[in-house]
Amino acid sequence: GAGVSQSPSNKVTEKGKDVELRCDPISGHTALYWYRQRLGQGLEFLIYFQGNSAPDKSGLPSDRFSAERTGESVSTLTIQRTQQEDSAVYLCASSFRGGPNEQFFGPGTRLTVL
Amino acid sequence: GENVEQHPSTLSVQEGDSAVIKCTYSDSASNYFPWYKQELGKRPQLIIDIRSNVGEKKDQRIAVTLNKTAKHFSLHITETQPEDSAVYFCAEPSNFGNEKLTFGTGTRLTIIP
Repeated sequence: GAGVSQSPSNKVTEKGKDVELRCDPISGHTALYWYRQRLGQGLEFLIYFQGNSAPDKSGLPSDRFSAERTGESVSTLTIQRTQQEDSAVYLCASSFRGGPNEQFFGPGTRLTVL
Repeated sequence: GENVEQHPSTLSVQEGDSAVIKCTYSDSASNYFPWYKQELGKRPQLIIDIRSNVGEKKDQRIAVTLNKTAKHFSLHITETQPEDSAVYFCAEPSNFGNEKLTFGTGTRLTIIP
């Protein structure tokens, strides 16, 4: 079956512009996660969805970052007024509900803010 | 747990030798310990995981051991091959709720031919 997909794969934007990143999880996966990975660094947790609610938003770096999820389907991560330090790969992952399970990652969106 | 310490941060191993990466966790109630591999430019992928009711799990050249008393778990790769070169991340469930994982800082493993 299809894995987690993300779009766009690459995004170049100018400082101050807004960007929207999309994630399509594996069908039937109720949990969805967003991570940020700077070059050569680890996985920085941003936000976690269970269905369309977000029990944990603790990783969002500032109020410029927000995310939504439609039901148990697609999620969008929005970054407003982008800054150069927002440049990174944004990874989405999904998993089955019911305790800790394997997280399946998407290919990521590489964001470059000029 | 919200604090996973992973060591070493980098590791170089001669091809054919073994590699060991260790993680220490904070929450004694944690019950699931996965290891992810991320090749250069690729997405992280689960390679092996262990639940707290067992002490060791093997899958061909890869094994994970768990020491609940000391609160650490380790990844063992034997007979290393060039394709094992990657960054490896351990993780444990967050104390927020079991579904969220807290990842270690990663170990960059380089296999020297």
